[in-house]
Amino acid sequence: SQQGEEDPQALSIQEGENATMNCSYKTSINNLQWYRQNSGRGLVHLILIRSNEREKHSGRLRVTLDTSKKSSSLLITASRAADTASYFCAIRGGSEKLVFGKGTKLTVNP
Amino acid sequence: NAGVTQTPKFQVLKTGQSMTLQCAQDMNHNSMYWYRQDPGMGLRLIYYSASEGTTDKGEVPNGYNVSRLNKREFSLRLESAAPSQTSVYFCASSEVRSRGETQYFGPGTRLLVL
Repeated sequence: SQQGEEDPQALSIQEGENATMNCSYKTSINNLQWYRQNSGRGLVHLILIRSNEREKHSGRLRVTLDTSKKSSSLLITASRAADTASYFCAIRGGSEKLVFGKGTKLTVNP
Repeated sequence: NAGVTQTPKFQVLKTGQSMTLQCAQDMNHNSMYWYRQDPGMGLRLIYYSASEGTTDKGEVPNGYNVSRLNKREFSLRLESAAPSQTSVYFCASSEVRSRGETQYFGPGTRLLVL
């Protein structure tokens, strides 16, 4: 399956701590994307990393990609209560379709 | 820009009834998608349309039909609703060339089939 699998399924941390989520996949990819979903809302794109890239930053977000291990990680630094959401990785292979994982539910406690 | 809009926001149907979920985008994107999201299952692709006039099946197309009415609009139809189609439905659009292949999502339609 091309689907990414996020780990952990749920994560609870205190405000100010860092949050790390991982995504593993099984096939070759064109790019890997991370999305956030607040409760009851649609998904919002966070960051895209291409297969020839190893690391990308966007504000407090840092994404790494290791194609040899077929894995990616999303790091949120200095987390805030507003970061509470579900985070999904999405794999793009050779077609226009994205295949989403089941998500990591992050809770940031004030 | 409104982005991606979906109607209705919430719908209750009885088994066997039909309905159409509407989606529109104002970003001039070529590609549009319909997903369903169930608890613990992530998002699953139902149908997608790479350009106006074309549609293709995704992972879970059974029980659904779609119409790419024009470049802006992509509708999803349930001809005979079943309880297994109770879900949250999301429409998305993307422009591969200029937007880095990211997808923009609507707010979702919550469907309950009794």
